[in-house]
Amino acid sequence: EDKVVQSPLSLVVHEGDTVTLNCSYEVTNFRSLLWYKQEKKAPTFLFMLTSSGIEKKSGRLSSILDKKELFSILNITATQTGDSAVYLCAGYNQGGKLIFGQGTELSVKP
Amino acid sequence: NAGVTQTPKFRVLKTGQSMTLLCAQDMNHEYMYWYRQDPGMGLRLIHYSVGEGTTAKGEVPDGYNVSRLKKQNFLLGLESAAPSQTSVYFCASKGDVPSPYFGPGTRLTVT
Repeated sequence: EDKVVQSPLSLVVHEGDTVTLNCSYEVTNFRSLLWYKQEKKAPTFLFMLTSSGIEKKSGRLSSILDKKELFSILNITATQTGDSAVYLCAGYNQGGKLIFGQGTELSVKP
Repeated sequence: NAGVTQTPKFRVLKTGQSMTLLCAQDMNHEYMYWYRQDPGMGLRLIHYSVGEGTTAKGEVPDGYNVSRLKKQNFLLGLESAAPSQTSVYFCASKGDVPSPYFGPGTRLTVT
C-alpha cells in the first residue's frame, strides 16, 4: 500500500531559526515528490523533485530527494512568522496517483 | 480561465441524506482528483481519474462514488451521509505541469 509519512507532525521555532522537515515515502512506480505550503486554504505548490541529490531552491526554502533511501527534506533558513503554515509532501506515481503525508504544522514565534 | 471550481462551497447535511459535489476545470486537464482533509491531517485521496470515463479508488473510497462523464467535470457523490464524512473536500486537476491545480474547497458538515 502506498504511503507518505512526514515528521515531525508539529514544530515551534523562533524567528531566525533554521528548520528541517522530513518526508519518507513508499509509492509504487514512483515518479516525483512534491512539497506544498498550506495556510487555511488550498495547498500552494513549492517544489517538485524527480532526481536524487539535486537540490531545488527558492529563496530561503530548499529541498532535496534521496530515491535510494526513499525520503526528502525541506529546509527553511532564517524563518519568519510568515512561514507559519502546514507543510505537505506528496508522492506522485506513473499512473497519475498523488498521495499526501499528514503534514508538518510549523509555528514561527516572533 | 476560471481554473478549478467547486460547487457548493458549504453544505450541511443530515445523516442519511445524499448529495453530489461538482468539480469543474476549464484547462483541458486529463487527471482529476478528490481529496478530503480533516483537522490536523493532510489530504487523503478519495478517488481519482486519469481521463474521461475512467475512475480509480484512492486511499479512503468507502462511502463515496465518482463519475467522469465529461472531461471537464468530476462528480463526487455521497449516497448516505455519515457524521464521519464531515470534512473539507478539495478537488484538483492536473495536466502536463508539475503540480495539480486545486479548487477552493467545499466544507461539508453532516449532523
